[in-house]
Amino acid sequence: EDQVTQSPEALRLQEGESSSLNCSYTVSGLRGLFWYRQDPGKGPEFLFTLYSAGEEKEKERLKATLTKKESFLHITAPKPEDSATYLCAVQASSYGNNRLAFGKGNQVVVIP
Amino acid sequence: DTGVSQDPRHKITKRGQNVTFRCDPISEHNRLYWYRQTLGQGPEFLTYFQNEAQLEKSRLLSDRFSAERPKGSFSTLEIQRTEQGDSAMYLCASSPYSGVQDGYTFGSGTRLTVV
Repeated sequence: EDQVTQSPEALRLQEGESSSLNCSYTVSGLRGLFWYRQDPGKGPEFLFTLYSAGEEKEKERLKATLTKKESFLHITAPKPEDSATYLCAVQASSYGNNRLAFGKGNQVVVIP
Repeated sequence: DTGVSQDPRHKITKRGQNVTFRCDPISEHNRLYWYRQTLGQGPEFLTYFQNEAQLEKSRLLSDRFSAERPKGSFSTLEIQRTEQGDSAMYLCASSPYSGVQDGYTFGSGTRLTVV
């Protein structure tokens, strides 16, 4: 059975304190791994797509990396506005309709 | 086009009542998805449309749930005889036919509370 597990569930950071979020996955035929940001009461906002092991993508203070078993979202020198829940999702070749399987998320709070 | 629009944003209903939610996708996107998200969980897939055809339904979508997308434009999700377990955020998303490489675009969701 396909699984997406995110850790830690919750993380409190001081402003400027860099950290990493983990997304481990077991899926047959990974077609893509996605990171989203979700603010309270809002829908998820797309951040990155990663397709193959070794790939990296960056956006402002965020950097996403991918291995054959997991992905990391690195937050460098976070600011309070980076506080959000970060969701990881996978798409597999067996998901013919492009649906995504999501993890439970990493809830990040950045303290000024 | 300002993105995916969902209406209403919030809905409180009594157990046993029927509710209907609407989603207006990005106009050039022909794929439309419904997801459900409960507190502390990630979104769970409910159903998928390509144009007006409903191509897949999750086992989460019981007989009380029905979704339509007439003419391949907006979509509606109806829940009949609501139960307290239906309380959740219902998210709509759309993507172009070329695939989901750039991720879905999600709406802000409809928060349903069944009392």
